[in-house]
Amino acid sequence: NAGVMQNPRHLVRRRGQEARLRCSPMKGHSHVYWYRQLPEEGLKFMVYLQKENIIDESGMPKERFSAEFPKEGPSILRIQQVVRGDSAAYFCASSPPQGGLAGGSDTQYFGPGTRLTVL
Amino acid sequence: LAKTTQPISMDSYEGQEVNITCSHNNIATNDYITWYQQFPSQGPRFIIQGYKTKVTNEVASLFIPADRKSSTLSLPRVSLSDTAVYYCLAGINYKLSFGAGTTVTVRA
Repeated sequence: NAGVMQNPRHLVRRRGQEARLRCSPMKGHSHVYWYRQLPEEGLKFMVYLQKENIIDESGMPKERFSAEFPKEGPSILRIQQVVRGDSAAYFCASSPPQGGLAGGSDTQYFGPGTRLTVL
Repeated sequence: LAKTTQPISMDSYEGQEVNITCSHNNIATNDYITWYQQFPSQGPRFIIQGYKTKVTNEVASLFIPADRKSSTLSLPRVSLSDTAVYYCLAGINYKLSFGAGTTVTVRA
């Protein structure tokens, strides 16, 4: 059973270009989460999606960032007009439709991340 | 999510047991305690989750006292490959919030 897949693993962009990060959740998982980890910091929540729905995007920057999880295909995190401050590791996680533990918190399973470098 | 406090770093030797204590004084009634492990250049890996008393799996044990204001992750007989950052999270919300974690260094 394959885990969460992310591609590309490394992405280099010049300032002003667009970055598209892809995430395929684990089989049977319908919830996807995106996190950003800046150097020497912990992961910060960005957005929570279910198929064709954005549930919570409270952690997303107001401009240039968008996310989608279409009915078919991977979830996409899109960063337009990248700036140097966008350089970070972006992690995707997925969870099953109903929590990993009965009545408990949904366990999130993380992908290997995409390391974005903006030159 | 409840705020958690854990040591910044811990050193150990191969074969020893490592215990990492996390404080979560403001934990809510419905909050679960979850631990993740992260290696450099990798995503966090789920280790264990519990609500009260003791939980054990093939990787670790989690001890939670009755007041639930703290918890202790126990890693039995660590090896060099257990060198990683360990994160304690307390909550039920999907917005996982990772602090600085505890960097555990295992030496030969």
